[in-house]
Formats: sequence, C-alpha cells, structure tokens
Amino acid sequence: QVQLVQSGAEVTKPGASVKVSCKASQSTFITSYMHWVRQAPGQGLEWMGIINPNTGGKGFAQTFQGRFSMTSDTSTSTVYMELSNLRSDDTALYYCARSDLSGSGFFDHWGQGTLVTVSS
Amino acid sequence: QSALTQPASVPGSPGQSITISCTGTSSDVGGYNAVSWYQHHPGQAPKLMMSEVSQRPSGVSIRFSGSRSGNTASLTISGLQAEDEADYYCCSYAGSSTFVFGTGTHVTVL
Repeated sequence: QVQLVQSGAEVTKPGASVKVSCKASQSTFITSYMHWVRQAPGQGLEWMGIINPNTGGKGFAQTFQGRFSMTSDTSTSTVYMELSNLRSDDTALYYCARSDLSGSGFFDHWGQGTLVTVSS
Repeated sequence: QSALTQPASVPGSPGQSITISCTGTSSDVGGYNAVSWYQHHPGQAPKLMMSEVSQRPSGVSIRFSGSRSGNTASLTISGLQAEDEADYYCCSYAGSSTFVFGTGTHVTVL
C-alpha cells in the first residue's frame, strides 16, 4: 500500500520561506521519482519539480527556478520542498506525487496536500 | 513551458459520451508517450485515470479511454454518470526532466 503523508498547513508572511515534507514508506521511496504539484485557489494544477530521492537528481519548471528547492532524506524516506521569497500568489495547495523509476511519467499516488497561505 | 490547452468546460447528459481534448506541441504531447489524465474533485487528491496515452490503470472504469492524434491527446468518457462530474487535467512529459499540465476541464453532468 503506497502512502504519501504530507506535513500540516502553514500560514506565513510575504518574503518568508516555507518548507513542506512528504513521507513515504521505504519501499516506495527507493522505487520512485517524487514530484511537487500545486493548485492555487481557482486555478489549475501546476507541476513544479521532480527529484530522484536516491540520487538527488532534480528537474524544475522554469517558473520556479531560483526560489524553489527540493531535498530528500533517505534515512526517513522523506522528501522536502522549500519555496522562498514567498508572495501572496504562492498561496496554494501543494501536493507531492510519485512516479515510478521506469520513466513512464505518470503520477499514480498523491499526498493529501498541504495548504500554504501567504498573508501579511 | 506553456500549459497544455484544454476546453474550460464540457457538458454532457447521463449516458452520453464526451471527449476532452488536450493540445500541446511536438515537444510535449506529440513527442512522448508519457501523456496522462487525472480526475480531480475539489478538496481531494487527483486520481490517475489514464497513463501513457491510452493505458487504463487497474480500478478505473472501462468507460474511460484515451487516444492521441499528432499534438492533441483526448480522453473520452462513455456512458456519462453523475459521479464523473469533476475537473480533468492532462499532463505530458516535456523533455529535460520536466512535465506540464493542461489548463483543466470541468465536466458537468446535466
């Protein structure tokens, strides 16, 4: 049973940073790429980036290059995403999702989502 | 990377068939088999409905089918049911370890 469990909601201020975690089982961790996807209020899904938790290899959507980072901790089977210099339009529901290492490129399991609210 | 283009809404009556289009370029939809579709109910995590253009995951109703012609992928829902009312998103690999979602389509069951 694949489960991705994300950290809880965050309320933060413009200009600050936020870090969201996504914990998987060890068996899932070693057979997956992990992705971050967000949905702003009233908007569609937006792919942010991909990380191979085992090698650290990454890819980023151009929109987020520079403010967005991803890390992994193999000892706890957890991946993290950090978004810095937050703006009000970063208010969104942030999801982690997994795809398998075959490169088939579909997201078959998702975390429950973490609401990040940016407000002064 | 621009979002893939989907119609904003597609209505249908119960029992009808509807098709949602997803138009990209030869650098994404037309260039790779990694086109997938997701059903999204507000407040829930998205659900994979179709992978690799036309592969239906285990547990997804056979009423859902996928296809592609050139740079446009399509998701068809046959025998439309009330439970199909949701937002649907396509997604494609876009090269260089990047992916792109479609703009999203709201399916309304009349």
